[in-house]
Amino acid sequence: EAEVAQSPRYKITEKSQAVAFWCDPISGHATLYWYRQILGQGPELLVQFQDESVVDDSQLPKDRFSAERLKGVDSTLKIQPAELGDSAMYLCASSSGTGTGVYEQYFGPGTRLTVT
Amino acid sequence: AQSVTQLDSQVPVFEEAPVELRCNYSSSVSVYLFWYVQYPNQGLQLLLKYLSGSTLVKGINGFEAEFNKSQTSFHLRKPSVHISDTAEYFCAVTRGGGATNKLIFGTGTLLAVQP
Repeated sequence: EAEVAQSPRYKITEKSQAVAFWCDPISGHATLYWYRQILGQGPELLVQFQDESVVDDSQLPKDRFSAERLKGVDSTLKIQPAELGDSAMYLCASSSGTGTGVYEQYFGPGTRLTVT
Repeated sequence: AQSVTQLDSQVPVFEEAPVELRCNYSSSVSVYLFWYVQYPNQGLQLLLKYLSGSTLVKGINGFEAEFNKSQTSFHLRKPSVHISDTAEYFCAVTRGGGATNKLIFGTGTLLAVQP
């Protein structure tokens, strides 16, 4: 069964360092999402791509976060510099649809980031 | 804007007992509703979804949910729980359509099944 892959699964970094997460969506899925899940809360969308284009990055802290999906396949989310408040689970999801319907989002296992 | 409220942060229940996890939503437009389950240190898995049609939706692992438009609720139920059902459960809503169909999640309910 096809799955969304993410790496690393766990990352510990010091405050002010740079950190990057990678996501490989299910093959053929045009839409890719990055969510942040703070402990005790539900996931919140950071950025959504359709192919290589950003559709929604309204909740992405652009002064320190960046995301790219250069060839419309895999994606990288970067934080520079990391802050203590960035400690969270970062979830990647993908879906097959690009039209006006509602399409199931398939989630990866996540990357748990701890900033010390 | 849409929002989701899960009133219970934790629900303890004995094995083989029935359970209901509550979810209420707020939206000025038609929405689509989902329940996801998250096991420790894992991603989210879709349990069930309501898009249209019958208001009683059946999902995986014996779970079902009922969409109630007048009460703006989408409560999740299971008639008999297993120890293996212990996990965090998230209710989510999306407006759907257009360029973005992002999910708006509730804060989650921890289902703690005790032997």
